[in-house]
Amino acid sequence: ETGVTQTPRHLVMGMTNKKSLKCEQHLGHNAMYWYKQSAKKPLELMFVYNFKEQTENNSVPSRFSPECPNSSHLFLHLHTLQPEDSALYLCASSGTGLAVEQYFGPGTRLTVT
Amino acid sequence: AQKITQTQPGMFVQEKEAVTLDCTYDTSDQSYGLFWYKQPSSGEMIFLIYQGSYDEQNATEGRYSLNFQKARKSANLVISASQLGDSAMYFCAMKPYNAGNMLTFGGGTRLMVKP
Repeated sequence: ETGVTQTPRHLVMGMTNKKSLKCEQHLGHNAMYWYKQSAKKPLELMFVYNFKEQTENNSVPSRFSPECPNSSHLFLHLHTLQPEDSALYLCASSGTGLAVEQYFGPGTRLTVT
Repeated sequence: AQKITQTQPGMFVQEKEAVTLDCTYDTSDQSYGLFWYKQPSSGEMIFLIYQGSYDEQNATEGRYSLNFQKARKSANLVISASQLGDSAMYFCAMKPYNAGNMLTFGGGTRLMVKP
């Protein structure tokens, strides 16, 4: 596989469930990101990892827990979510530098019931 | 803090015509990069074009060009010869030089190409 992949593509979970989103990049990048995209709202950066170290946590509630075991894999662990957490969750990766673009995965469409 | 404004929530364009999508930004940084992304209904964000704040020429990538006016803090995307496959959401984003890898996105413009 090439590029950035995300699994699952769709997820429906209850508020008491625990689930995880997975992201994998095959581009040799050092930085990985989680974004949340809700309807009618700008894309919101959630977490940034550089060389497996978390460098940004954009005031995300603790019910979202990221994990970056290596520079190719990124997880987002979910527990006791709220209906307002329903959104498209996008993973991205990039190199470092001003002019480098981020490469995005196809996203996971999450519905919390 | 940075702010990106895309004032056109939705636009129509006739197939084969050109269209301009507006983007203005607000930053106190002198060095920054500007990006445009396309998001089809499938959800994936696709990088289109990049403009650096110190680039003297407007960026071009195939049918995409960026009309960069630094003094006005605008970075409009021009798509020439629109195709049906151009129908999608388009997002403008900015990254200051000192912001590490953090991109700030605008609210997006939905472009619909009419046959």
